[in-house]
Amino acid sequence: SQQGEEDPQALSIQEGENATMNCSYKTSINNLQWYRQNSGRGLVHLILIRSNEREKHSGRLRVTLDTSKKSSSLLITASRAADTASYFCATSHNTDKLIFGTGTRLQVFP
Amino acid sequence: SQTIHQWPATLVQPVGSPLSLECTVEGTSNPNLYWYRQAAGRGLQLLFYSVGIGQISSEVPQNLSASRPQDRQFILSSKKLLLSDSGFYLCAWAPGTVQETQYFGPGTRLLVL
Repeated sequence: SQQGEEDPQALSIQEGENATMNCSYKTSINNLQWYRQNSGRGLVHLILIRSNEREKHSGRLRVTLDTSKKSSSLLITASRAADTASYFCATSHNTDKLIFGTGTRLQVFP
Repeated sequence: SQTIHQWPATLVQPVGSPLSLECTVEGTSNPNLYWYRQAAGRGLQLLFYSVGIGQISSEVPQNLSASRPQDRQFILSSKKLLLSDSGFYLCAWAPGTVQETQYFGPGTRLLVL
């Protein structure tokens, strides 16, 4: 299966702490994207990093990409209770579709 | 701006009954369209995608079919539902054929009893 793997599967932290999620994939990519899903809702795009980029920031989000290790990480700084959601990575492989990872469930306690 | 609609939001159907889920996109033309299924607490499984009217690619052999009768309409169907068809169905669109961001609808929760 090409599906990416995310780690950890679940993460619980206190408000104000940082949350780090990792994503590994198997074949070379055009880009890697992170999405967020609130319970029972659709996915929302957070950030896209291209294969020739190593780091990208958007607000409290920081994404890194290591193509030699075929891995990416998503860091959420100063987390809030409203960040509670599932987070998915998705990779683009020169086709018309994305390959989604298995997701990390983040719980932020107030 | 672009918007994507899915209906119904929730559906409870008996085993053996037919299914039709609809997805429409507004504010764009020639989108790529996608149907995903998500089991509870799990990742997304791509079911079908379409790069144009009447063009459907099936990812997983199953009890479902898809059609794209109009540029911005994508329909997921079944003639006879199985218990295993229960899940959360998500429609998404993306611009063009180069894989950039996908934009998701609100989803349909299907329970087959």
